[in-house]
Amino acid sequence: NAGVTQTPKFRVLKTGQSMTLLCAQDMNHEYMYWYRQDPGMGLRLIHYSVGEGTTAKGEVPDGYNVSRLKKQNFLLGLESAAPSQTSVYFCASSYRTGAVRETQYFGPGTRLLVL
Amino acid sequence: KNQVEQSPQSLIILEGKNCTLQCNYTVSPFSNLRWYKQDTGRGPVSLTIMTFSENTKSNGRYTATLDADTKQSSLHITASQLSDSASYICVVREVFNAGNMLTFGGGTRLMVKP
Repeated sequence: NAGVTQTPKFRVLKTGQSMTLLCAQDMNHEYMYWYRQDPGMGLRLIHYSVGEGTTAKGEVPDGYNVSRLKKQNFLLGLESAAPSQTSVYFCASSYRTGAVRETQYFGPGTRLLVL
Repeated sequence: KNQVEQSPQSLIILEGKNCTLQCNYTVSPFSNLRWYKQDTGRGPVSLTIMTFSENTKSNGRYTATLDADTKQSSLHITASQLSDSASYICVVREVFNAGNMLTFGGGTRLMVKP
């Protein structure tokens, strides 16, 4: 099993450009998440999905959109990139909520630089 | 607002030495607390998970402790190795939290030197 994979690994954008980050998991997990990680700060949840066809806002959703058309894929879109979106983006997945010891499995991250 | 604070922010130790990382949280009501290890350029990987009723959990040379009364946790690393160089992140989950949302600490960056 590959676990959680993310593409691309690194990207440079100009302000105003758009892009889509792809997350894929092969563990048949119901829940998927997108986080951003900035220096000195904890990971912050952008959007999450509790199943195919569903999405919900997290702590910092502004400027991002997501889609979960297939259970194994979770896409994060930036419609008009801003320098404040320069960050490392992590995707994660888990079986379901409710289980006390439920663990989220993280991908390797996508480093995004917006100039 | 729920918070998770970690100390120190960074730490340098010599190979073979022990160290202890601290985590204080304000998340309430509390469901569980996790410690993750994040190698440079990689995603976090779970080390331990403790519920409110557990006060210690080990994973090899890593031992996590939890005091739910004082809302403090620590991660003790024994006989450190060069491969322990990483960031260690304390993560807390609130009870009745929709979407399995977690509150992450800022991490402690550990460097183990030969």
